[in-house]
Amino acid sequence: NAGVMQNPRHLVRRRGQEARLRCSPMKGHSHVYWYRQLPEEGLKFMVYLQKENIIDESGMPKERFSAEFPKEGPSILRIQQVVRGDSAAYFCASSPKLAGGSYEQYFGPGTRLTVT
Amino acid sequence: KNQVEQSPQSLIILEGKNCTLQCNYTVSPFSNLRWYKQDTGRGPVSLTIMTFSENTKSNGRYTATLDADTKQSSLHITASQLSDSASYICVVKGGGAGGSYIPTFGRGTSLIVHP
Repeated sequence: NAGVMQNPRHLVRRRGQEARLRCSPMKGHSHVYWYRQLPEEGLKFMVYLQKENIIDESGMPKERFSAEFPKEGPSILRIQQVVRGDSAAYFCASSPKLAGGSYEQYFGPGTRLTVT
Repeated sequence: KNQVEQSPQSLIILEGKNCTLQCNYTVSPFSNLRWYKQDTGRGPVSLTIMTFSENTKSNGRYTATLDADTKQSSLHITASQLSDSASYICVVKGGGAGGSYIPTFGRGTSLIVHP
């Protein structure tokens, strides 16, 4: 049973380009969470999705950032017109159900985005 | 506002020694508290989870404690190994009516074990 997969592992973009980060949850998991980790900072929640549904995007910047989790395929975190401040590690986690109780979130290895 | 504070920010110890990491939180109502280990360049991996009624839980050389009254937790590492060098993150999730299902992450304690 493969764990949470993220690709690419490293992504370099110039300012103004688009960054597209992919996350494939663990088999049987229907809930996906995206987090951002800045250097020397803790993980910050961005968005929580179920298939074809955004449950909570309260941690997502209002502009340039969007996320989706289609019926088929991986979850995508899209950052348009990237700026240097977007450079960070972006982690995806998945869980089998709503993250109530003791359902654990399993984390992927992260995508390290560098904006030059 | 839900917050999780960890101390120390960083810690250096010699191989074979014990150490204790601290976590204070203000998340309310409380559902559970997890300790994660995050190796450099990797995603966090869960070490322990504790609910309100539990005050001690062990996972090998890792022992976590929880005092729900004072809202404090600790992670004790026994007989440290070089592979214990990592960031240890305390994560608290709220629960109950009005509780958020979104966990609150501490900034982590960076542990370096020297030979």
